[in-house]
Amino acid sequence: NAGVTQTPKFRVLKTGQSMTLLCAQDMNHEYMYWYRQDPGMGLRLIHYSVGEGTTAKGEVPDGYNVSRLKKQNFLLGLESAAPSQTSVYFCASSYGPEGRSKKLFFGSGTQLSVL
Amino acid sequence: DAKTTQPNSMESNEEEPVHLPCNHSTISGTDYIHWYRQLPSQGPEYVIHGLTSNVNNRMASLAIAEDRKSSTLILHRATLRDAAVYYCILNTGNQFYFGTGTSLTVIP
Repeated sequence: NAGVTQTPKFRVLKTGQSMTLLCAQDMNHEYMYWYRQDPGMGLRLIHYSVGEGTTAKGEVPDGYNVSRLKKQNFLLGLESAAPSQTSVYFCASSYGPEGRSKKLFFGSGTQLSVL
Repeated sequence: DAKTTQPNSMESNEEEPVHLPCNHSTISGTDYIHWYRQLPSQGPEYVIHGLTSNVNNRMASLAIAEDRKSSTLILHRATLRDAAVYYCILNTGNQFYFGTGTSLTVIP
């Protein structure tokens, strides 16, 4: 089983460039999340989606946009990359009805460097 | 402010039990407590979660204080493969709030 797949795995950008990170899951999960991980800060939620066509802001949404046009895909966009966005980005997905806790399944991450 | 507080690092001898503590004093009644672990260059991996009662699974046990303001992840016999960063997380509604994690070193 593929689970949660992130592409690309590595990317180097120049300041001001744009790019899109793709997350795909094959588990028919309703919920999908984008996190960033910086040294010493754990994981912080950027944006999330509770279903196809819906998105919501997390803890650190500024400078990022997302789209969930298909249930299995969740895209994270950087319109004008900044050095502060150098980080490791993780996508996760989960299932579960309202009122129950949901286990997260993570991808293997994307290492992004902005010069 | 972080919703969970964990020690930065801990050490354990191989084949001995490990108790990883976590404080979450601002937890609300409907928040679930999750634990994940992360190996180098990998995404976090689910370990266990609970709401009020202690929980056991094949990987670990979760002991939750009666007032729910703290919890402890218990690895019954640490192996070298258990060396990782362990995150204590509060699940509030649709959001999961990660702490900074505890880096566990297992000594052979």
